[in-house]
Amino acid sequence: GQQVMQIPQYQHVQEGEDFTTYCNSSTTLSNIQWYKQRPGGHPVFLIQLVKSGEVKKQKRLTFQFGEAKKNSSLHITATQTTDVGTYFCAGQYSGNTPLVFGKGTRLSVIA
Amino acid sequence: DAGVTQSPTHLIKTRGQQVTLRCSPISGHKSVSWYQQVLGQGPQFIFQYYEKEERGRGNFPDRFSARQFPNYSSELNVNALLLGDSALYLCASSLRGSSYEQYFGPGTRLTVT
Repeated sequence: GQQVMQIPQYQHVQEGEDFTTYCNSSTTLSNIQWYKQRPGGHPVFLIQLVKSGEVKKQKRLTFQFGEAKKNSSLHITATQTTDVGTYFCAGQYSGNTPLVFGKGTRLSVIA
Repeated sequence: DAGVTQSPTHLIKTRGQQVTLRCSPISGHKSVSWYQQVLGQGPQFIFQYYEKEERGRGNFPDRFSARQFPNYSSELNVNALLLGDSALYLCASSLRGSSYEQYFGPGTRLTVT
């Protein structure tokens, strides 16, 4: 079946360091969404990318969608303790097909 | 506005039993999706309903079934529970389907003993 691979699985950073998680698909995606799940919580929508090469920013977070629409990344500048959680990418392949979630990257921030 | 609500919050069942999980979407949302999340993994798609019709089914056995009611709330039923069904079951609502932002509920933690 279609899979979305996400790396790394875990990332431990010192507060103030940058963080990046990567998402890859072997098949072209129609769009990709990013979610954050705090420990003990539920996934919360962050952003959706639709266009080839799209770049979107939310304060310290930068999201990119690759030119071939097969990969995406989330970069956090100067991490804070409030960034702790698991970040998931979720790809949609076409139309109303369901979202396929990656396994997530768990971010720990050491103060 | 109220978010997505799910009940119950926690549930403990024995192998072979049946369970029904409930979800109320955000007002105005017509699509409800169900996901299973095992510890340390991403949510895995089970079902999607839109306007009371099934729009998608994930790779789950026939023991799993769901339905959506006229008020757009939804139920997920799992029969003949197995130990491997222990997971967090998440409901997500959206305006029209997977192409739109998904709003997740707090989930139901199911433990099968």
